[in-house]
Amino acid sequence: EVQLVESGGGLVQPGGSLRLSCAASGFTFSRYSMNWVRQAPGKGLEWVSYISSRSNSIYYADSVKGRFTISRDNARNSLYLQMNVLRAEDTGVYYCARGAAYTNGWYGSYFDYWGQGTLVTVSS
Amino acid sequence: NFMLTQPHSVSESPGKTVTISCTRSSGSIASTYVQWYQQRPGSAPTTVIYEVNQRPSGVPDRFSGSIDSSSNSASLTISGLKTEDEADYYCQSFDSSNRWVFGGGTKLTVL
Repeated sequence: EVQLVESGGGLVQPGGSLRLSCAASGFTFSRYSMNWVRQAPGKGLEWVSYISSRSNSIYYADSVKGRFTISRDNARNSLYLQMNVLRAEDTGVYYCARGAAYTNGWYGSYFDYWGQGTLVTVSS
Repeated sequence: NFMLTQPHSVSESPGKTVTISCTRSSGSIASTYVQWYQQRPGSAPTTVIYEVNQRPSGVPDRFSGSIDSSSNSASLTISGLKTEDEADYYCQSFDSSNRWVFGGGTKLTVL
């Protein structure tokens, strides 16, 4: 059974930092791309960042570029998100989501499994 | 860059059929795949449709997806509505500039 378990959320002041983790199990982690997707309170889903299976391709949403860093440790089956210079608008639930390649080989991917999320609150 | 626009809310009675639309602002809806995610209150999203019209194992065949190039939109249709289908539904597509785009979400009420 695929499991994704996020941790590391909490309350942080504006301008502060936080590091999120996602522990993966039930599949061969090193074979899959991974993503972070967030959801502000009462709002919709927003993709945050992507990392390929071997970390050779990394992408960020414009809203977090230069402040957030995605990384992974395939030996530890873990995904990370280092968040710096946090703003109030970064508040929300952060989900770890596994990437699934399109079956016909088209460029791109979608999210086939999601974790339960970890809440990040940026407030003074 | 494109956006995906969904109706804010839809409602329908149990046993009926409902369709949720997702309109792409620029570029062809058929140029890449559309996915649909269900998010029940207080829960994480789950995938109900991928690659326009494919259902993951465990998703009932009451859920179906399609695209309409004439309106540049995708649709999620749920037939034989059940109270358990009440949730927020999000469409999603991939932008070739390496950006994953979500629609704003549609709240489905089954009353």
